[in-house]
Amino acid sequence: EIVLTQSPGTLSLSPGERATLSCRASQSVSSSHFGWYQQKPGQSPRLLIYGASSRATGIPDRFSGSGSGTDFTLTISRLEPEDFAVYYCQQYGRSPFTFGPGTKVDIK
Amino acid sequence: QVQLVQSGTEVKKPGASVKVSCTASGYTFTDYYIHWVRQAPGQGLQWMGWINPNGGGTNYAQEFQGRVTMTRDTSISTAYMELSRLRSDDTAVYYCAKDHLGSGDYWGQGTLVTVSS
Repeated sequence: EIVLTQSPGTLSLSPGERATLSCRASQSVSSSHFGWYQQKPGQSPRLLIYGASSRATGIPDRFSGSGSGTDFTLTISRLEPEDFAVYYCQQYGRSPFTFGPGTKVDIK
Repeated sequence: QVQLVQSGTEVKKPGASVKVSCTASGYTFTDYYIHWVRQAPGQGLQWMGWINPNGGGTNYAQEFQGRVTMTRDTSISTAYMELSRLRSDDTAVYYCAKDHLGSGDYWGQGTLVTVSS
């Protein structure tokens, strides 16, 4: 099973700041099979990025994904108030499709 | 528009089974796999498996092998996830999600399953 580790666990930032979230895999993952999700309290997860760098439908361009192999990054260029949430990475190249433990982005 | 609507809250006793439904609309049901993911209270996301509505093929996470059964009824565009021999640590919100190249692009609203004696 591929284990995903996310850092930091919590990121405290102010609106307008840049957020950089990391996800490291225990084994190499195909970039085609890596994604990021956002989840707000009481809501279902929302797909942000698939294929490591492609934005899902309707996702603003302040969200971007990058990386390959074992290291992947989600960047939010300028935090908006609605971006404070928990973010999960996922690999779906090898079963079981595993998620990272999440990074909480909260307001400083 | 794409929608996945799940069945309502369930309360079960340990050892019982639960069957959660996920009804899809706004797209051709048989064209995309359905994933099932669960989230224990205050915890992260855990992928359980997928079903291919076109033919019914399945892929379960090993952790759930022998306890989970995913089925579908194409006549009503509905996928089902049944989990048996429930334990207290199966208490979670269960989600279905439409596949998008392996990820999940549209998610149901979630179904809370509480296992308690």
